[in-house]
Order: sequence, then C-alpha cells, then structure tokens
Amino acid sequence: AQSVTQLDSQVPVFEEAPVELRCNYSSSVSVYLFWYVQYPNQGLQLLLKYLSGSTLVKGINGFEAEFNKSQTSFHLRKPSVHISDTAEYFCAVSDLRGTASKLTFGTGTRLQVML
Amino acid sequence: ETGVTQSPTHLIKTRGQQVTLRCSSQSGHNTVSWYQQALGQGPQFIFQYYREEENGRGNFPPRFSGLQFPNYSSELNVNALELDDSALYLCASSWTGGYTFGSGTRLTVV
Repeated sequence: AQSVTQLDSQVPVFEEAPVELRCNYSSSVSVYLFWYVQYPNQGLQLLLKYLSGSTLVKGINGFEAEFNKSQTSFHLRKPSVHISDTAEYFCAVSDLRGTASKLTFGTGTRLQVML
Repeated sequence: ETGVTQSPTHLIKTRGQQVTLRCSSQSGHNTVSWYQQALGQGPQFIFQYYREEENGRGNFPPRFSGLQFPNYSSELNVNALELDDSALYLCASSWTGGYTFGSGTRLTVV
C-alpha cells in the first residue's frame, strides 16, 4: 500500500517570492511521483513527473521538484511565484505495476499568492 | 495537452437515482481510470479498465460500476445515489508513465 502526505494544507506567499510545497510518500515498492495543479472548477493538470534518472525534475510554469529517496520526499519548488499560480496542488504516487497501476493522491496544498 | 473529454460538466440528481458519466479518452490510450474527488479532498481511485476489462478497484461499493468501449470511451455508472456521492468525478487515460485527466463532472445529489 502507498500513501502520500502533504504537510501543509495552505501556503500563503507574496508574489515574486520563492515557494516550496512539501510532499512525503510511503511505499514498499519503487514508485513514480507526480505533481498536479488544479485551478477552481477544473480538472488536474500535470506539472511534472519523476519516473527515473535525474532526481531534479523540471516541469511547466517554472516549477521543479527533487526526488529524495532516503527521505521519501518529492518537494515542489518555484523560485518566483506569480498571482496566476494560485491554485490547489496535489502530489501523487503510482507503483510500477504497469497497466494495473493507480495514482494515490495527497490531500492537497492550497497555494495562495498575494500581491 | 489534455485529450480527455468528460460529459456532462455538471449534473444534479436525487438520492436513490442512477447516473451515468461519460469519458472519451485519447486514441491509443487503452487504460482508463476513474477518480472521485470530494470537496476539499484529493482524488480517490474508484477503478481502472484495461482493454475493456476491470483491472483494479479502490474501496468503493459495487453500486459503482463501469464500462470501457473499443473506441476508447468509457462510462461510470452509480446506482442508488447517496448524498455522499456528491463530488467531482475525474476520468484519466494513461500510457506508460503518465496520466491525462479530463476536466471532470460535478455531481450533486440532493
């Protein structure tokens, strides 16, 4: 079984400031890791994913995340946020069972960018 | 990027009724999953279909059922609706290492 913990339910930050959204996971097997963004009344949009290789992953809209296997973490970062980054962010894991895999999500972090 | 279309976008049903939600996924993506997202929560896995067969199920009762068709479309059916079934229902099509989500169907049970 897998689980995902997003330690912060809300993160307020001023525009142009850096931000880090924290994600820790638990799994007995190797996993894929994902970050999704959800704008109000919309579905999920993929920001970035870690499948293998380099532990620093770059995504869309200037976001990046670092996979840390020893700490079982996959924190999301952006060096300078914009007001348009205000949204709900979900971290998710999937095991490597190929076609039978599923995503397990955290409870989300609400990023509120202030002027 | 999204090539996953869900219909309808919003739906209001009465407790005890039945509902069918539809999803059209990208050509070639032969795996489709459905998720339920209650207000203020992360999405929860309902079930997954691969080549028209159920291929995994989450902790949802049998009144949640699905179908997948050869043209990459799929359905989620929920019988005997309960108030707690009110949620955003998301469809996702997947390929090796990735998932593409639709915009969801907002179901309200009154």
